[in-house]
Amino acid sequence: SAVISQKPSRDICQRGTSLTIQCQVDSQVTMMFWYRQQPGQSLTLIATANQGSEATYESGFVIDKFPISRPNLTFSTLTVSNMSPEDSSIYLCSVEVFAGPGGYGYTFGSGTRLTVV
Amino acid sequence: DAKTTQPNSMESNEEEPVHLPCNHSTISGTDYIHWYRQLPSQGPEYVIHGLTSNVNNRMASLAIAEDRKSSTLILHRATLRDAAVYYCILRRGGTSYGKLTFGQGTILTVHP
Repeated sequence: SAVISQKPSRDICQRGTSLTIQCQVDSQVTMMFWYRQQPGQSLTLIATANQGSEATYESGFVIDKFPISRPNLTFSTLTVSNMSPEDSSIYLCSVEVFAGPGGYGYTFGSGTRLTVV
Repeated sequence: DAKTTQPNSMESNEEEPVHLPCNHSTISGTDYIHWYRQLPSQGPEYVIHGLTSNVNNRMASLAIAEDRKSSTLILHRATLRDAAVYYCILRRGGTSYGKLTFGQGTILTVHP
């Protein structure tokens, strides 16, 4: 299975600023996913990033607020732009991995805990 | 995406078996049943998945009802390290790219 390195692991940011989160995978993957987990909540998919094309955003998430880059098959970034306290969450990246006869499963990074003050 | 329903929380004692139920009455024929768990301060990790037959791996067993409308994740001997949120998720099988839709999951508390 793939190993994901996500940076930074945590950050405290001022409102109005932006933070870029990096996700590095130790193998080439087609699909990378970005999730948000608000305090005490489950995970919500932000967008899907496919190398060489624009990310596909879920309802409620827009590119201006969460621009994503996917320059190659092992790396992606998510930027949280013009942050407000409501953006305080854990942000996680995930990749799809072949799980054998059952098809595909997912590996997750350990997350970036963002606090906006 | 087909929806799953899980109890909000369950409790167990250490060394005892734990049965975590999941209802998925609208499951389609190509949906695989996946289980993930999220330990405190970590990202979710894969536990097990199956289609129709019961499955076993080093972490757990998955029992799937004959009509596939429900399933049960079985931890044979709970340890304190198994305290986590357990998510039951349906994922369309066969093809690549099927996003995971997380429900609220079951919070498992393990007592020493």
